[in-house]
Amino acid sequence: GNSVTQMEGPVTLSEEAFLTINCTYTATGYPSLFWYVQYPGEGLQLLLKATKADDKGSNKGFEATYRKETTSFHLEKGSVQVSDSAVYFCALSAADYKLSFGAGTTVTVRA
Amino acid sequence: GAVVSQHPSRVICKSGTSVKIECRSLDFQATTMFWYRQFPKQSLMLMATSNEGSKATYEQGVEKDKFLINHASLTLSTLTVTSAHPEDSSFYICSARERQGLGYTFGSGTRLTVV
Repeated sequence: GNSVTQMEGPVTLSEEAFLTINCTYTATGYPSLFWYVQYPGEGLQLLLKATKADDKGSNKGFEATYRKETTSFHLEKGSVQVSDSAVYFCALSAADYKLSFGAGTTVTVRA
Repeated sequence: GAVVSQHPSRVICKSGTSVKIECRSLDFQATTMFWYRQFPKQSLMLMATSNEGSKATYEQGVEKDKFLINHASLTLSTLTVTSAHPEDSSFYICSARERQGLGYTFGSGTRLTVV
């Protein structure tokens, strides 16, 4: 079946530090890949997505590249801000359109 | 952009009562709606998938008689937690998939507390 393995947290960083959250997946066929962000007490917001190999999703300074050869979709941001503190979920969608989520990584950015 | 409105955001109910949670797509037609449950500091667990006008498909281990899902129109799906018990306390989130395209839009979630 489809599954997503995500780097465990929590991750604590200082402002302007570099952030990487690793994500690897297992899926049949050619899934679409997503990163979602969840702020406390809220639902999920789409951060970025990629639908095919070598695609790069980007938004708000975050980037992730769909790497088929390593089945990965690592999230990166070059300089984090306090407002980036949240829980980040890697997810995939395959032929059945269901989203499979990773466990989530809590990121805390300190001023 | 696409917006999904989920209500209520918080609800406290007594054990044994039923609670209905609504999820509406405000500016698009949702072919499919998904219902998730999230325990504290954990990921989202898919409970069921509903398509407009047809019965919901439940994931293994989810009691369909306890979690009633209705998807009566392309813009509205409801989840009713029947005969709620304290162990049903959780954060419930809906998601709607647009008719065309790959968008999944999430509601803001409902914090259910059963006392």
